[in-house]
Amino acid sequence: GQQVMQIPQYQHVQEGEDFTTYCNSSTTLSNIQWYKQRPGGHPVFLIQLVKSGEVKKQKRLTFQFGEAKKNSSLHITATQTTDVGTYFCAGYSTLTFGKGTMLLVSP
Amino acid sequence: DGGITQSPKYLFRKEGQNVTLSCEQNLNHDAMYWYRQDPGQGLRLIYYSQIVNDFQKGDIAEGYSVSREKKESFPLTVTSAQKNPTAFYLCASSPMGMSNQPQHFGDGTRLSIL
Repeated sequence: GQQVMQIPQYQHVQEGEDFTTYCNSSTTLSNIQWYKQRPGGHPVFLIQLVKSGEVKKQKRLTFQFGEAKKNSSLHITATQTTDVGTYFCAGYSTLTFGKGTMLLVSP
Repeated sequence: DGGITQSPKYLFRKEGQNVTLSCEQNLNHDAMYWYRQDPGQGLRLIYYSQIVNDFQKGDIAEGYSVSREKKESFPLTVTSAQKNPTAFYLCASSPMGMSNQPQHFGDGTRLSIL
């Protein structure tokens, strides 16, 4: 079945540093979604990518979908303490979430 | 305010006991989902329903049961057959099932064994 791998599992950065999490699927995806879960909270939808090679930006967040539609990345520029949380990708051919990347930001 | 309401927030189960987790949505969404989240793990799909009176097993359905008698409600029963039920359970909905539409999540229920 479809597998979605997400790396790294955990990352601790200093405020102001950049952060990237990667999502890789064993199969071609029809689309990919990204969610953020704050500590003690529930996942909140961030964005969806559909087209091969698509790049979308939300302020300091940049999302990319690979040309082969099997991988994706989320890059945060100049992290802030409000970025703390776990970031999940969810790949659609069947509905599969990655294990997430937990981001900790120290002031 | 439209949203998804899960109750209770915390639940304790005795050995051999069935418990039911409630999930209600007023978003008029057709599809509803149940996920289990363990520490350091992603979300694993237990069951989903794309329409009233119909539901399908997800990746980890063993030891769980669901019903979808109303569009707004999708309760999850954790049966005594589920040997390791301690986890964070999340309910979600989307306008249509298994499609390219974002999911809206409830606040979750934390289930623990007494």
